[in-house]
Amino acid sequence: GDSVTQMEGPVTLSEEAFLTINCTYTATGYPSLFWYVQYPGEGLQLLLKATKADDKGSNKGFEATYRKETTSFHLEKGSVQVSDSAVYFCALTNSGGGADGLTFGKGTHLIIQP
Amino acid sequence: SQTIHQWPATLVQPVGSPLSLECTVEGTSNPNLYWYRQAAGRGLQLLFYSVGIGQISSEVPQNLSASRPQDRQFILSSKKLLLSDSGFYLCAWSLGISNQPQHFGDGTRLSIL
Repeated sequence: GDSVTQMEGPVTLSEEAFLTINCTYTATGYPSLFWYVQYPGEGLQLLLKATKADDKGSNKGFEATYRKETTSFHLEKGSVQVSDSAVYFCALTNSGGGADGLTFGKGTHLIIQP
Repeated sequence: SQTIHQWPATLVQPVGSPLSLECTVEGTSNPNLYWYRQAAGRGLQLLFYSVGIGQISSEVPQNLSASRPQDRQFILSSKKLLLSDSGFYLCAWSLGISNQPQHFGDGTRLSIL
């Protein structure tokens, strides 16, 4: 079946550092890929998405590029802020017309220190 | 715009008691609806999904059940809670077409004593 693998962390960085959170996936066909962010005690918020190879999703300074050749969707940000501290989930859907749920990675806990 | 409401936000229940968590979506018709559970320190597990009224698919056999009595209402239930049912429960919706993102409610923190 489909699967998503991401670094679990915690990842601790200083403010203004460059961020990369790795995500790789295994899926048949042509999945859509997503990054979600979860702040403490809250639900998940969609951060960005990409629906086909070479698409770049971006939002709030975060970017991720759908790389089919390496089956990856790494999340990057050039300069992180304390407010970016959260848990980040990489996910895919491969429903092919159905309504299957998302397949999530286990989440990466990001801690940004001032 | 679409919104999703989930309640209660927190719930403390004794072992063996029943459960009912409710989720409603506004601003869209015939959405796909989902229930997930997030155990402490772990990822998300899909419990149920629904593509229409009365249509429920279960992903994980357990003592939980789901129902969709109306187009935009999704209910998670149990007749007798177990300690292992503790966790953070999230409802989500998506458009009824393939490969769409899901949009999540704020979650219910369920503690079983």
